[in-house]
Amino acid sequence: QVQLQQSGPGLVKPSQTLSLTCAISGDSVSSNSATWNWVRQSPSRGLEWLGRTYYKSKWYNDYAVSVKSRININPDTSKNQFSLQLNSVTPEDTAVYYCARRIAVARTAYGLDVWGQGTTVTVSS
Amino acid sequence: DIVMTQSPDSLAVSLGERATINCKSSQSVLYSSDNKNYLAWYQQKPGQPPKLLVYWASTRESGVPDRFSGSGSGTDFTLTISSLQPEDVAVYYCQQYYSSPDTFGQGTKLEIK
Repeated sequence: QVQLQQSGPGLVKPSQTLSLTCAISGDSVSSNSATWNWVRQSPSRGLEWLGRTYYKSKWYNDYAVSVKSRININPDTSKNQFSLQLNSVTPEDTAVYYCARRIAVARTAYGLDVWGQGTTVTVSS
Repeated sequence: DIVMTQSPDSLAVSLGERATINCKSSQSVLYSSDNKNYLAWYQQKPGQPPKLLVYWASTRESGVPDRFSGSGSGTDFTLTISSLQPEDVAVYYCQQYYSSPDTFGQGTKLEIK
């Protein structure tokens, strides 16, 4: 059974960096048949996909344009986890952040089938 | 980005009755290489992450009760709950993953009448 366990601070000051980690059990961050995603949810923006990392012979990243200049998603193969870094945060980045897995085999992709528990992040001084 | 629009925003249905939620995408999400619609439905209860119910528009995720069914193709999709149960009270979201970025509908809140 695949599980995702999130960790990271719930309070970040404006202009600083939001950092969250998603630890994977039951699967591998280096799997050739999965992508590893970050999604956030706020009352004002609803559910918003932020980006993903995945391995297909080499590592790839893909980010939403809305955060592309401020985001990094990195795999950590030694710890079987992946992380989210969002720089220069503002109160508009206040949201519940989720990590999630998508299975993608050959040219076929599935839904986001496994989710982390969510981390409420507040941006405030 | 593909815009996903759900209707209605909220819905109240009697126990045992049918609930229908609609989702429309601003462009087709039918992937020609595998003839699959890259459209998923999720259920979210308070304090929980979304739960995958349906993917490829009509394939139920393992363990999801068969009262949940998805249909549609191209740009118009429907999630149907055939006989509403108390535990189905939740917010439901559609999502396209045909093109990056994934985008979600605004959600439909389902309640008991």
